[in-house]
Amino acid sequence: QSALTQPPSASGSPGQSVTISCTGTISDIGVYNYVSWYQQHPGKAPKLMIYEVSKRPSGVPDRFSGSKSGNTASLIVSGLQAEDEADYYCSCTSYEGSNNVVVFGGGTKLTVL
Amino acid sequence: EVQLLESGGGLVQPGGSLRLSCAASGFTFSNYAMGWVRQAPGKGLEWVSGISGGAYSTYYAVSVKGRFTISRDNSKNTLYLQMDSLRGDDTAVYYCAKDQGGAVAGRPYWSFDLWGRGTLVTVSS
Repeated sequence: QSALTQPPSASGSPGQSVTISCTGTISDIGVYNYVSWYQQHPGKAPKLMIYEVSKRPSGVPDRFSGSKSGNTASLIVSGLQAEDEADYYCSCTSYEGSNNVVVFGGGTKLTVL
Repeated sequence: EVQLLESGGGLVQPGGSLRLSCAASGFTFSNYAMGWVRQAPGKGLEWVSGISGGAYSTYYAVSVKGRFTISRDNSKNTLYLQMDSLRGDDTAVYYCAKDQGGAVAGRPYWSFDLWGRGTLVTVSS
């Protein structure tokens, strides 16, 4: 159960777009489309932003989108706003026999300049 | 109001035990798989355990398997995590989380759309 790899930091100016990557392996992201993205503000609980690679829960702005290519998933935040400054975590669910395995990335701190 | 409220955290000595509870409200609890996710101070998220809606299936991270036990009482809308043989690296905020409801061949996607505020567990002598 190795953690997914995310860049520790990312940044962009208001109105710009930023992409956060999440790299796994052929055993998780490479084969399963159960990739989720979470936003966490300091001292707060995580919030689901994207599920199943690219689907948005109700209430999440369409400025947030997700994609996947090979073993890497990406979160794209367009039209950056000050309130987007937060930590972002990816996760992927894989199934190994009768076991379910959920791994998170190490997190990316997004700074809005 | 749709919410999850954890309780039971605190200070415990290494080797000790603790039981966390998570009270759910505002949704049909038994219809959803539930999980526990923890976050060590200043660190990232780590999935700990999950349980199906009917409590028929349970899942654990390698780091806690054999030491932690997840359970639920659907008549009380409550999720539990029994933690035994606690170690210093179990120190974390423990979040209760609701699975979104999607599934493949009866297995949840483990995408969490509702989280509690968390309860802090500190393992120290």
